[in-house]
Amino acid sequence: GAVVSQHPSWVICKSGTSVKIECRSLDFQATTMFWYRQFPKQSLMLMATSNEGSKATYEQGVEKDKFLINHASLTLSTLTVTSAHPEDSSFYICSARDRNNEQFFGPGTRLTVL
Amino acid sequence: AQKVTQAQTEISVVEKEDVTLDCVYETRDTTYYLFWYKQPPSGELVFLIRRNSFDEQNEISGRYSWNFQKSTSSFNFTITASQVVDSAVYFCALSPGSSGYNKLIFGAGTRLAVHP
Repeated sequence: GAVVSQHPSWVICKSGTSVKIECRSLDFQATTMFWYRQFPKQSLMLMATSNEGSKATYEQGVEKDKFLINHASLTLSTLTVTSAHPEDSSFYICSARDRNNEQFFGPGTRLTVL
Repeated sequence: AQKVTQAQTEISVVEKEDVTLDCVYETRDTTYYLFWYKQPPSGELVFLIRRNSFDEQNEISGRYSWNFQKSTSSFNFTITASQVVDSAVYFCALSPGSSGYNKLIFGAGTRLAVHP
């Protein structure tokens, strides 16, 4: 199957700093990528849909100014958590959709904000 | 409303037991996909199966089998002769056709613990 990578796999940062997470489709082009958030022992919740070359579509309740998404190429989407606070600590997972509408998930990024 | 319910929060079995994980979904869409994913402690989601709403055939893959019943809006997952390596959180998910199959709506997950 197709491979999706995320970088970094884990990050620890101080409160108030910004953190950028990258999601790459390694062997296919993805016009659409998705960002999910998973709190400990909870399910995955879709945060936003990222479309190449256009603005992301955010789910209700997700602050677009706090979670900046950029999908500048067909193989890369980035999620920037701006002015991170401890409540933003979570597991962030991206997925990329191929031309057959299949979604392939990245390995996730564990963010800890101190 | 679009929703996935996994009523079993945690299941604990002894190795070699069979175990069924329940999944009930809600959607008004006539076309949709259903999925099962496995999430081991490492956190990475492992794709198990995708089923189209028009295909109600049950499927078997090794020790895994799936029972899709539209009449009861259920898509249950059975592991036969469970093994310790099956210990993980299992998620059922729905992708509605009305969303262009964009959205994946996940259930709360079932944590399976298989003891030796």
